[in-house]
Amino acid sequence: AQSVTQLGSHVSVSEGALVLLRCNYSSSVPPYLFWYVQYPNQGLQLLLKYTSAATLVKGINGFEAEFKKSETSFHLTKPSAHMRDAAEYFCAVSAANQAGTALIFGKGTTLSVSS
Amino acid sequence: NAGVTQTPKFQVLKTGQSMTLQCAQDMNHEYMSWYRQDPGMGLRLIHYSVGAGITDQGEVPNGYNVSRSTTEDFPLRLLSAAPSQTSVYFCASRERGYTEAFFGQGTRLTVV
Repeated sequence: AQSVTQLGSHVSVSEGALVLLRCNYSSSVPPYLFWYVQYPNQGLQLLLKYTSAATLVKGINGFEAEFKKSETSFHLTKPSAHMRDAAEYFCAVSAANQAGTALIFGKGTTLSVSS
Repeated sequence: NAGVTQTPKFQVLKTGQSMTLQCAQDMNHEYMSWYRQDPGMGLRLIHYSVGAGITDQGEVPNGYNVSRSTTEDFPLRLLSAAPSQTSVYFCASRERGYTEAFFGQGTRLTVV
């Protein structure tokens, strides 16, 4: 079965600093990976997705993630944090041989941005 | 274009009461699912459906029932509410294939 582990439940950065949110996956077949963002009291919004077309994926709001099969990782980065990036971020996986199943989510990482 | 619509947005129940959380999507997606979100636990899958008449259990199905009579609707029923079911519930839909999920705005449920 597939699973996702997000390392660090809380990440704090200063405005303008690099953002790095870590995600490692477990899947016996090629995975499809997603990053979502949740702002307070809202639903989840897709940031970006990896579906095997390219290992470096660019998303909305300046975020990007790199798929590394050898490390089973899909870390999310942004070169320069903004105050508006403060939110909760979720990594999710959908295994390639289980298209009928829903996405499986990690436990989330809360990003705090200080001025 | 409404996307995924959940009702109600907020609900308070007494222990033992039953209720139905509504979810409707207007994107003609085949796949729909229900999650609950609790602090520090992320989103956990309750039930999912791959089409009308087909449902299956997720990670935490106990205490919940679902049915899917149409493509558009996927209601979640709490049979006898318990305080442990206090949570935020999200409905999501996806197209067939390895696609992203679209989420509703959530239902915040409190069981007292």
